[in-house]
Amino acid sequence: SAVISQKPSRDICQRGTSLTIQCQVDSQVTMMFWYRQQPGQSLTLIATANQGSEATYESGFVIDKFPISRPNLTFSTLTVSNMSPEDSSIYLCSVAGQAFMNTEAFFGQGTRLTVV
Amino acid sequence: SQQGEEDPQALSIQEGENATMNCSYKTSINNLQWYRQNSGRGLVHLILIRSNEREKHSGRLRVTLDTSKKSSSLLITASRAADTASYFCAFSHGSSNTGKLIFGQGTTLQVKP
Repeated sequence: SAVISQKPSRDICQRGTSLTIQCQVDSQVTMMFWYRQQPGQSLTLIATANQGSEATYESGFVIDKFPISRPNLTFSTLTVSNMSPEDSSIYLCSVAGQAFMNTEAFFGQGTRLTVV
Repeated sequence: SQQGEEDPQALSIQEGENATMNCSYKTSINNLQWYRQNSGRGLVHLILIRSNEREKHSGRLRVTLDTSKKSSSLLITASRAADTASYFCAFSHGSSNTGKLIFGQGTTLQVKP
C-alpha cells in the first residue's frame, strides 16, 4: 500500500493568483496522477507526472495552466495558475507504479480549492 | 466520451436494506475498481475486479463484472448509516497503468438510520 500526504487540504484564493499543491508519497512510485473533481462531479484526470520527464496532459488541460513538477520518485506538485472561480474544485493526487499494475490506486485526501 | 456511466445517480434506503449501483463503460478494460468518497474527501478503494473475473466479494460488498455487456454492479448488503457516501466506479484500459483511471459519474448513497 501507499500513504499519500497532500497539502494544503483546503485554501481560498483570489482570482488571478496561483496555488501550488504538494503530494508526498511514503514509497517510491513510477507514476503519479493528478485529478480534478469539480463541485458535484466525478474525477477527471489532469495529467500523469513521470519522474525525469515532462508531464503528460489529458485533453482539455495545458501545461501553462497546470504546471507540474516531479523532482523525485516520492514527490510531485501541481500548480493552478491564474485562477478563476471556474477552477474551484477538489484536486487529488494518486499513485501507481509498476508494482501496482492491476492493483488499486491510492489517493491523497484532496485539496479543496475555492477561488473568489 | 470514454467516461463511465453510473446509475442511479442518487439512492436513499433504510438501514439494513441492500444497495445496488450499476456502472457501464464503452471500451475494453484491464480492470474495474470501486471507490467510496465521504463528503468530498479522498477516495477509499473498495474492491478491484479484473477483466477475466466475473464476481468478487469483500465483506458486505459484492461486485460483478459482465464484459460482454460492458457493465459492473456493486451490491452493499445490510447497509449501515456509515455507508452513506458517494460511490464511483473507475477503470483502466489498453496499455494504461492502473493509476490512470476513467471514472464513472458516481452514485450518492444515503442510508437512513
